[in-house]
Amino acid sequence: DQQVKQNSPSLSVQEGRISILNCDYTNSMFDYFLWYKKYPAEGPTFLISISSIKDKNEDGRFTVFLNKSAKHLSLHIVPSQPGDSAVYFCAASGGNFNKFYFGSGTKLNVKP
Amino acid sequence: KAGVTQTPRYLIKTRGQQVTLSCSPISGHRSVSWYQQTPGQGLQFLFEYFSETQRNKGNFPGRFSGRQFSNSRSEMNVSTLELGDSALYLCASSSDRFSEQYFGPGTRLTVT
Repeated sequence: DQQVKQNSPSLSVQEGRISILNCDYTNSMFDYFLWYKKYPAEGPTFLISISSIKDKNEDGRFTVFLNKSAKHLSLHIVPSQPGDSAVYFCAASGGNFNKFYFGSGTKLNVKP
Repeated sequence: KAGVTQTPRYLIKTRGQQVTLSCSPISGHRSVSWYQQTPGQGLQFLFEYFSETQRNKGNFPGRFSGRQFSNSRSEMNVSTLELGDSALYLCASSSDRFSEQYFGPGTRLTVT
């Protein structure tokens, strides 16, 4: 049962443009969401988080938007850089402490 | 501050054997979670330990077990290995709820 879904396995964007990565979830109990970036042969690296009391959180070039009614969150990267090329995972938790459900990932390719 | 470390980094085992993986969290972090990553499946939650107690458990068979020591270091054990257990096993630590998880580099387990 996939409670967190990333429906786009890959995304290609030109350097300097905006990258938008999407994530949908089904469990209305989820109240804490995170985005991770993963390079090959490394563990995921935390990027940004948002709790359900907010609808937006910004950190430098990264902004996460949460639409609770649509059970949808998105990660915006502006401007995109070639070093952003990686696999991005969204994750969600709620109720149980620290039990995170991960999406299957979106591979972002930022072309120079 | 040192990051999350996992040993060994690579492991090759034969079907039917058992294996123990080790994780040392970031100093001061009391929560340790384990995940299995396989191609196309994203990260699947195995279990979470907090102060030596298993606090959450994912949907994996009883062959997968773990424990946490008083210094927060954690071990994961898989008994009677099957070919399908071949995966990247990731450990993540956090201070507690609503805190981002920091991942180690993972242990690549290959079962032949």
